[in-house]
Amino acid sequence: DVKVTQSSRYLVKRTGEKVFLECVQDMDHENMFWYRQDPGLGLRLIYFSYDVKMKEKGDIPEGYSVSREKKERFSLILESASTNQTSMYLCASRIRQKSNQPQHFGDGTRLSIL
Amino acid sequence: AQSVSQHNHHVILSEAASLELGCNYSYGGTVNLFWYVQYPGQHLQLLLKYFSGDPLVKGIKGFEAEFIKSKFSFNLRKPSVQWSDTAEYFCAVNALAGGSYIPTFGRGTSLIVHP
Repeated sequence: DVKVTQSSRYLVKRTGEKVFLECVQDMDHENMFWYRQDPGLGLRLIYFSYDVKMKEKGDIPEGYSVSREKKERFSLILESASTNQTSMYLCASRIRQKSNQPQHFGDGTRLSIL
Repeated sequence: AQSVSQHNHHVILSEAASLELGCNYSYGGTVNLFWYVQYPGQHLQLLLKYFSGDPLVKGIKGFEAEFIKSKFSFNLRKPSVQWSDTAEYFCAVNALAGGSYIPTFGRGTSLIVHP
């Protein structure tokens, strides 16, 4: 069974801080995704990565960056955190780019920016 | 770009009531369709999926969904809900574009089932 692990369930940071959210998957999946989940807005795609060192912007990339140095790890970076980035962040993986297979999700990180 | 529309944002039912959650998508090409469920405090997990073949697909926990291509719809149904079905439900579409499947999610439907 695929395991997607996000480093923190809850995180509190201050405005202006640089914030790192980490995600690791253990099934050698090529694709990884970062979403934010807000009430009434569903899941919105921030960034995704088809493979190591590759990244693509999603629907709401502003204020975020990502890093994929190793296949199993996909990091989301908030360059200078702001209060409107308070949200639930979900990481997901999928076996490969040309796959119609479903995604596997982590438990989420609830991030509060004060 | 494709979009996914879930018509019901909040649904409240009593146990044993029947459930139908609507999902429509806007994309004319090849699609794969999913319903995910998120129980309180848990991660999103796959409920069911449609790739091809029989448009009526069955998933876990007695859920089923019907793909109607002419209506661009993939509605989720359950004949008799239980208190444990209380959760948030997301419809998702993988649309084939440029050789890749790009996932798009609906806004979700919050279901509360009263015992």
